[in-house]
Amino acid sequence: NAGVTQTPKFRILKIGQSMTLQCTQDMNHNYMYWYRQDPGMGLKLIYYSVGAGITDKGEVPNGYNVSRSTTEDFPLRLELAAPSQTSVYFCASSPGQGNTIYFGEGSWLTVV
Amino acid sequence: QKEVEQDPGPLSVPEGAIVSLNCTYSNSAFQYFMWYRQYSRKGPELLMYTYSSGNKEDGRFTAQVDKSSKYISLFIRDSQPSDSATYLCAPTDSWGKLQFGAGTQVVVTP
Repeated sequence: NAGVTQTPKFRILKIGQSMTLQCTQDMNHNYMYWYRQDPGMGLKLIYYSVGAGITDKGEVPNGYNVSRSTTEDFPLRLELAAPSQTSVYFCASSPGQGNTIYFGEGSWLTVV
Repeated sequence: QKEVEQDPGPLSVPEGAIVSLNCTYSNSAFQYFMWYRQYSRKGPELLMYTYSSGNKEDGRFTAQVDKSSKYISLFIRDSQPSDSATYLCAPTDSWGKLQFGAGTQVVVTP
């Protein structure tokens, strides 16, 4: 059972570089999310999407962009990497609002 | 003031003890209350889900909500080493938007 799959698992970026974190889910969920988790800070919502073609900002969207061209995929783009973006990133999906959210395994990103 | 407050721990208990975890929140709009468990280097997974004040039991786990004091608790009975993880409380508003606490790390020693 694949569920929510994120790639890459680990990545080191230099300041100013750009990259895309990939996320795909095979549960046909409408809702998808990107969170970041910093030590002692809990999970913060970066962006979310309620369906293909629809995205919206979460709590901490600055420095990130997303797109949702298909139900399955929800990539997260970092355009100009900064040390403050060093974090663990989690993609997640759910059937709809108020339903269980299923998380991927996480992507560890370090910006140096 | 953070919307959701949790003691980060670590909370260390011997195997078989009762684990008591707490969470406070400030937003009266929260209606659903979830507890997620997160093992090291893994994504969070839903443990329990409650709606409204009162208790909900699921095996060794009991979730308690007191909306009047904005206080959420999770109890783990007969704790096992496999319960060692970080537990995140996540109150949710009617739109389904979760607000995660920072999480409490639990260590159960054999």
